[in-house]
Amino acid sequence: QSGPTQPASVSGSPGQSITISCTGSSSDIGTYVSWYQQHPGEPPQVILYGVTERPSGVSNRFSGSKSGNTASLTISGLQAEDEADYYCCSYGHKDSLVVFGAGTKLTVL
Amino acid sequence: QVQLQQWGAGLLKPSETLSLTCGVYETSFNNYYWGWIRQPPGKGLQWIGKVNHVGGTDYNPSLKSRVTMSVAASKKQFSLRLTSVTAADTAVYFCARLFYDYYYMDAWGKGTTVTVSS
Repeated sequence: QSGPTQPASVSGSPGQSITISCTGSSSDIGTYVSWYQQHPGEPPQVILYGVTERPSGVSNRFSGSKSGNTASLTISGLQAEDEADYYCCSYGHKDSLVVFGAGTKLTVL
Repeated sequence: QVQLQQWGAGLLKPSETLSLTCGVYETSFNNYYWGWIRQPPGKGLQWIGKVNHVGGTDYNPSLKSRVTMSVAASKKQFSLRLTSVTAADTAVYFCARLFYDYYYMDAWGKGTTVTVSS
């Protein structure tokens, strides 16, 4: 089963905003979309769940949205520490499967 | 603060069985799913499957024929077995805690590097 589609890379300058898209089928991109940030050599860390919800401790510079079959992660006020890989993830109740997008490498210029 | 500590053999020969265990600390074992995710070198995350506290499982269809997940609830541990490994199974393997409500992973083990080589 192939996962949602993400851009391979995005970039932005400090202070700018960027958006990473995550596009899948209608069964992929539903209520149960989460986003993970991964720095090199570390495990992923959840930054959004339920499309728009931020776990405690995650900066409000991270926000999420969904339109049709596309979920999006927006990072505002880019900082050097945001440079990392970002993965969207979806869960389908119908088949009880979790699928990850291929990941997007964010470069802060 | 919840901690997941994982252990298991890091070097396997082709056709051998991968076996990893994840111990859960400072959290209930019964109220969550417990999952395994892997990441081949330089590549993205791949979902392997999840197990609940009574041993109910869901596996990635692409790995289902070779995967078994189990729990030892009294020890707050869960395990992964992957049979007949090949070089394609070389990856960092992570264990993680999943919330039932929104099916997201909020706690992760540090990862175990598993290399399959003859």
